[in-house]
Amino acid sequence: DTGVSQDPRHKITKRGQNVTFRCDPISEHNRLYWYRQTLGQGPEFLTYFQNEAQLEKSRLLSDRFSAERPKGSFSTLEIQRTEQGDSAMYLCASSLSAALTPLHFGNGTRLTVT
Amino acid sequence: GENVEQHPSTLSVQEGDSAVIKCTYSDSASNYFPWYKQELGKGPQLIIDIRSNVGEKKDQRIAVTLNKTAKHFSLHITETQPEDSAVYFCAASLSNDMRFGAGTRLTVKP
Repeated sequence: DTGVSQDPRHKITKRGQNVTFRCDPISEHNRLYWYRQTLGQGPEFLTYFQNEAQLEKSRLLSDRFSAERPKGSFSTLEIQRTEQGDSAMYLCASSLSAALTPLHFGNGTRLTVT
Repeated sequence: GENVEQHPSTLSVQEGDSAVIKCTYSDSASNYFPWYKQELGKGPQLIIDIRSNVGEKKDQRIAVTLNKTAKHFSLHITETQPEDSAVYFCAASLSNDMRFGAGTRLTVKP
């Protein structure tokens, strides 16, 4: 399977704990995006990388959220001191860097904060 | 920033009928408009896209139309089948910023 893969698929954590998610993009894609999706809503942009450089962050992304893509391949999204409002599906997507190209999404990590 | 509105939020059709989903966008500079289908437990999957220099695009039973003047675009599914049942999202993009509508839950009744 050469699509975008995300790990884990599900994560249940207690409020206040830290969690980290991983995304492996399609290998030839140099752009990588993180989105958050809550029930009944479309994906909301969080941040994106061009190779290893984080080029844009949404105002939605609080200081408790940090993302890295150290070698321009896989990426991690960490949430510190989780809150119940962080419960959502976290989607990773990748694309080529050419303009007007689609995003290819993984199947997401569903986070539940109890 | 870009704001995308999508209607209706739910749509139920009989198998074989057509389904139409409409979206409007706010930023006239947006130039790329993909549509995604999301099934339960999966990420959104691209089904068709259109660029701003094209007014209509068709792929088998799926077609998309774009009206740049009015800033709206629509997805048309003909001869619907039960496997078309899913949530559909429109999106509008300028450069790196892709914004999504809130989704339409399509149910195709056999």
